[in-house]
Amino acid sequence: NAGVTQTPKFRILKIGQSMTLQCTQDMNHNYMYWYRQDPGMGLKLIYYSVGAGITDKGEVPNGYNVSRSTTEDFPLRLELAAPSQTSVYFCANTRGFGTEAFFGQGTRLTVV
Amino acid sequence: AQSVTQLDSQVPVFEEAPVELRCNYSSSVSVYLFWYVQYPNQGLQLLLKYLSGSTLVKGINGFEAEFNKSQTSFHLRKPSVHISDTAEYFCAVALIRGGSNYKLTFGKGTLLTVNP
Repeated sequence: NAGVTQTPKFRILKIGQSMTLQCTQDMNHNYMYWYRQDPGMGLKLIYYSVGAGITDKGEVPNGYNVSRSTTEDFPLRLELAAPSQTSVYFCANTRGFGTEAFFGQGTRLTVV
Repeated sequence: AQSVTQLDSQVPVFEEAPVELRCNYSSSVSVYLFWYVQYPNQGLQLLLKYLSGSTLVKGINGFEAEFNKSQTSFHLRKPSVHISDTAEYFCAVALIRGGSNYKLTFGKGTLLTVNP
């Protein structure tokens, strides 16, 4: 089992470009999350989903969008990239209450 | 809303010394508590978790943590560290409550550096 898989691992974007960070899981977990990690700031929740067709904003949703058409996939969309979106992005899932999160390997995004 | 405070951003120690990484949380309701470890250029891995029961929780790699409800703390300890324990450690909480909004809130992390 692959667990949580993120692609790409690295990406450089120019200001104003758009891109989609892909996240897929083979664990059949309902809950999925997108976090961004900045040095010294820990992980901030961008968006999360409690099941196919249901998404909700986290702490820092501005500039991002998500969709959840299937249990397996939870892509994160950046429409107009800005330097403030330079970060490492992690996708994660959980089975539900009282359970731990499983993380992908991360996507390192640089906006120049 | 819940919050997590990791009191030390960096902790340098020598190999085979004991270490304690401190975590305090704030919440108006009961919480689940977790410690994660992140090795360089990798995602986070679970070290241990507290859901209920015994307040002393043992995890992988010889780590343990103690839940102290009165002090709202969940400090992580290891009696003797190895060079390979060098990593960033994150404390996280999740609210125990009904409804669908189950999500983890993370602290800012503590970088543990083990020196020879």
